Amino acid sequence: GAGVSQSPSNKVTEKGKDVELRCDPISGHTALYWYRQRLGQGLEFLIYFQGNSAPDKSGLPSDRFSAERTGESVSTLTIQRTQQEDSAVYLCASNRQPLTGELFFGEGSRLTVL
Amino acid sequence: DQQVKQNSPSLSVQEGRISILNCDYTNSMFDYFLWYKKYPAEGPTFLISISSIKDKNEDGRFTVFLNKSAKHLSLHIVPSQPGDSAVYFCAASPGDSGYALNFGKGTSLLVTP
Repeated sequence: GAGVSQSPSNKVTEKGKDVELRCDPISGHTALYWYRQRLGQGLEFLIYFQGNSAPDKSGLPSDRFSAERTGESVSTLTIQRTQQEDSAVYLCASNRQPLTGELFFGEGSRLTVL
Repeated sequence: DQQVKQNSPSLSVQEGRISILNCDYTNSMFDYFLWYKKYPAEGPTFLISISSIKDKNEDGRFTVFLNKSAKHLSLHIVPSQPGDSAVYFCAASPGDSGYALNFGKGTSLLVTP
């Protein structure tokens, strides 16, 4: 596709359930990033992939959060045993190289944990 | 620990006037700075950037100024247009290889006709 695609766009779940969020980066972009934005907050870095490896997982808030990337394309962010504080917009971004600069963001997946 | 700070959560400006959005940072290792613009229900889009070797970068109506000694940057929009109404995020990084951007909390700009 032309841009970064994320699914689902909206997800409402009950506390304690697991959720999976998917990101399709722009074709050819080797670097992929996950951020989240909680209400009234800025964008919070979660994890960065270069190819299929994740050199920087420092932003994952707890061991309930994990992410993987396969085939240097699709990435999945998994949140286990969701808590209400996990409610946020989860944004995926990609760029061609692992350089800072212009990140291309998807529209985000809005997660609401009841 | 918020290393990039945007202390004004909102700003209202009349159409045609200058909008000035401010950003402060605390990490002296930051040497690359960007502004992103975000409309509701959309992802942020890149607007303009500046590296620490410069103190000004201009792109059309948008100019970013960097004051390294003060650890301060600002985005000027002249003239402001109603379509500029959006949330503006300041971001910074300490290098150009594999570093994730540190974002501020954003400033919501409203340009009124």
